[in-house]
Amino acid sequence: EPEVTQTPSHQVTQMGQEVILRCVPISNHLYFYWYRQILGQKVEFLVSFYNNEISEKSEIFDDQFSVERPDGSNFTLKIRSTKLEDSAMYFCASSEGAASGTQYFGPGTRLLVL
Amino acid sequence: SQELEQSPQSLIVQEGKNLTINCTSSKTLYGLYWYKQKYGEGLIFLMMLQKGGEEKSHEKITAKLDEKKQQSSLHITASQPSHAGTYLCGADSGRGNRKLIWGLGTSLAVNP
Repeated sequence: EPEVTQTPSHQVTQMGQEVILRCVPISNHLYFYWYRQILGQKVEFLVSFYNNEISEKSEIFDDQFSVERPDGSNFTLKIRSTKLEDSAMYFCASSEGAASGTQYFGPGTRLLVL
Repeated sequence: SQELEQSPQSLIVQEGKNLTINCTSSKTLYGLYWYKQKYGEGLIFLMMLQKGGEEKSHEKITAKLDEKKQQSSLHITASQPSHAGTYLCGADSGRGNRKLIWGLGTSLAVNP
């Protein structure tokens, strides 16, 4: 069964460093998303991406963050100059398309900023 | 902005018992999703509900959306240790909106 994959599963970085989180969405899906979950808190929407551009972003998704689809399969989240409060589980999701399509999630990348 | 509240926050049941988890929205739900999360794993899709009064079942899990589309329940019949995990409800934040908002989750433990 097709699934969303994410790498790495864990990432430890020093404050101020840049990290790139990678995702491979399900192949025939057209919409891609990033969410994050800080320990003990609700899952939060970061950004949605369609047709090679951002379709919506949250107030969390400031200039520190960027997304890219560098080729036909990968979808990346870059976090520049990481802060302690960026420590969280980051989930990638994809959906087939159209309104209210089910989003399928990857296993997540646990990011720890020291 | 829309908020989702889940209850209870945590639940411990004996294997074989039935249980219900609730998800209440502050606004009308356009699409309500149930996911299961196991520690260190992603969010596993269970079911989606859209229409008022809708009910769906998969194996021993049944989800319902009330007629007013502001509350959903997830019912597990004859619970098993494999049902253990955190159950999350998520909702479309608007008609045709692709951004999901989430409840805090209900942590379920099933004792054998």
